[in-house]
Amino acid sequence: GAGVSQSPSNKVTEKGKDVELRCDPISGHTALYWYRQSLGQGLEFLIYFQGNSAPDKSGLPSDRFSAERTGGSVSTLTIQRTQQEDSAVYLCASSPWTSGRTDTQYFGPGTRLTVL
Amino acid sequence: AQRVTQPEKLLSVFKGAPVELKCNYSYSGSPELFWYVQYSRQRLQLLLRHISRESIKGFTADLNKGETSFHLKKPFAQEEDSAMYYCALGRYGNKLVFGAGTILRVKS
Repeated sequence: GAGVSQSPSNKVTEKGKDVELRCDPISGHTALYWYRQSLGQGLEFLIYFQGNSAPDKSGLPSDRFSAERTGGSVSTLTIQRTQQEDSAVYLCASSPWTSGRTDTQYFGPGTRLTVL
Repeated sequence: AQRVTQPEKLLSVFKGAPVELKCNYSYSGSPELFWYVQYSRQRLQLLLRHISRESIKGFTADLNKGETSFHLKKPFAQEEDSAMYYCALGRYGNKLVFGAGTILRVKS
């Protein structure tokens, strides 16, 4: 079946502009995650959606970052007033929900963001 | 606080040599440990998880609670093992905490 998809695959923007990154999770997966991957920093957790619960935003680096998930499916990560340090690969993942265990996360191909 | 440490940014070995990718974690509860792998131009994907106690592509990892480690091992490295490897720690139903990753390069 179809995996997690993300768009765009590459985004080049100018400092100060806003950007929106999109994630389509695997159908039926109730959990959705955003990560940032940059050289030497590993995978940095940004935000986590689980069903209808309030999202875990504890990883968002500043109030310029926000995310929403509409209808329990598609998610959009928005970065306002982009800075050069926002340049990274943004990864989305989704997983099913199994009580009592941590499920496998299925990752998308990522969006490479470059802020000039 | 939960933390995952992968001390080596790069591990370079010859084909046929044994491989050990180190992972140490900090967590006071009962952890779930995972290894994820990203091959060149491919998506990040699960390699193995400690509760499965399985060998995937010849790799194994044993959870050592006394040493709080979950090292990834393979007795004989192959060129196709070259990739970025991430160790990750999870609590039941919660988000994963990833280490910084180790690049494995297998030389012919």
